[in-house]
Amino acid sequence: AQKVTQAQTEISVVEKEDVTLDCVYETRDTTYYLFWYKQPPSGELVFLIRRNSFDEQNEISGRYSWNFQKSTSSFNFTITASQVVDSAVYFCALITGFQKLVFGTGTRLLVSP
Amino acid sequence: DSGVTQTPKHLITATGQRVTLRCSPRSGDLSVYWYQQSLDQGLQFLIQYYNGEERAKGNILERFSAQQFPDLHSELNLSSLELGDSALYFCASSPERGSSGNTIYFGEGSWLTVV
Repeated sequence: AQKVTQAQTEISVVEKEDVTLDCVYETRDTTYYLFWYKQPPSGELVFLIRRNSFDEQNEISGRYSWNFQKSTSSFNFTITASQVVDSAVYFCALITGFQKLVFGTGTRLLVSP
Repeated sequence: DSGVTQTPKHLITATGQRVTLRCSPRSGDLSVYWYQQSLDQGLQFLIQYYNGEERAKGNILERFSAQQFPDLHSELNLSSLELGDSALYFCASSPERGSSGNTIYFGEGSWLTVV
């Protein structure tokens, strides 16, 4: 069975702080994909990144970076120099084979000025 | 803009009524997915269609049904509505039948409020 755990329910930071959102996943499959989505207050789900299980290279996109570690089954997301516009709920998700996309419970990030 | 279009964006209806939510997938995408997001259940997978055929079923109630039409748009029908059906309903699409290798893009969602 697949499972995604986002233990941090809510994180509050002040603008310009760095923040890391944790994601731990469970699967018995060797081939799988991990995703991060952002849900701003307006409600839409915005795709941020997809990573396959064979590529453990970390990725950086602007102020966003992702750390994928198979040894700890983690796919953590770091926002550097956070901004108020980063305030949102962030979801980590997992899919294997032809199964459905399974989401974590989300982490609400509040960035105050 | 993900390219997935959902209508209506907001809907308020009474208990016992029936509503239809509509979704147009991204151009070229053959798979359509429906998800429900409620406060107590999080993001729950409802159903997936691929090129008009039902592909996978999740936690979809018997009062709910969906279909995908030849032009690939999809509709989610919710009937005998209850207060607990109030939620944000997402449609998503991906290019192929097997979704694992593809990014799944979500629409903006349809907010359903049952009163």
